[in-house]
Amino acid sequence: QQPVQSPQAVILREGEDAVINCSSSKALYSVHWYRQKHGEAPVFLMILLKGGEQKGHEKISASFNEKKQQSSLYLTASQLSYSGTYFCGTERTYNTDKLIFGTGTRLQVFP
Amino acid sequence: DGGITQSPKYLFRKEGQNVTLSCEQNLNHDAMYWYRQDPGQGLRLIYYSQIVNDFQKGDIAEGYSVSREKKESFPLTVTSAQKNPTAFYLCASSIEAREDYGYTFGSGTRLTVV
Repeated sequence: QQPVQSPQAVILREGEDAVINCSSSKALYSVHWYRQKHGEAPVFLMILLKGGEQKGHEKISASFNEKKQQSSLYLTASQLSYSGTYFCGTERTYNTDKLIFGTGTRLQVFP
Repeated sequence: DGGITQSPKYLFRKEGQNVTLSCEQNLNHDAMYWYRQDPGQGLRLIYYSQIVNDFQKGDIAEGYSVSREKKESFPLTVTSAQKNPTAFYLCASSIEAREDYGYTFGSGTRLTVV
């Protein structure tokens, strides 16, 4: 049931772009995206709902392909502050009460 | 400011001991969750609760227990039955209808068995 994230790790220079994918073998109602800095709490970025639109947050946006049960997180013109581990969390039905998280994608941005 | 407070930040346990991790929120959120984080395994759900005096097991509940006597509090007890308790524990909360809101996480408790 755990969603699969790819790639496992990404190394970027400032200003470069990255895409992180989250795939499920089961039909999904929603996908959440979080970013976690080392030793800190995960921070909510955005939620994508079934039938909903692509979301954006500054230079970070995401999409949800219902046919493929896959969500993608797009990081554009990356900044040093984007470094961290990105997790997707999935819900299979409306208000399932719990999120199942992927194993994470570690992103490092260098000057 | 509203948020979730987890304490202690670091905890050391001797083998065979039970320990309790505290989680308090002042966000007036209905639901609360406990996740365990190990390197390379992401976040795994231990227990969750939607309302006071009710909670459900997550994927890895064995060796753990919880209570939800107040809306604001959701303590987690790691019992001696948990074979490998060394991990980073995260508490989270959310409102019931989450169409635009995600989880709010606490800053975590790092538990080490010595």
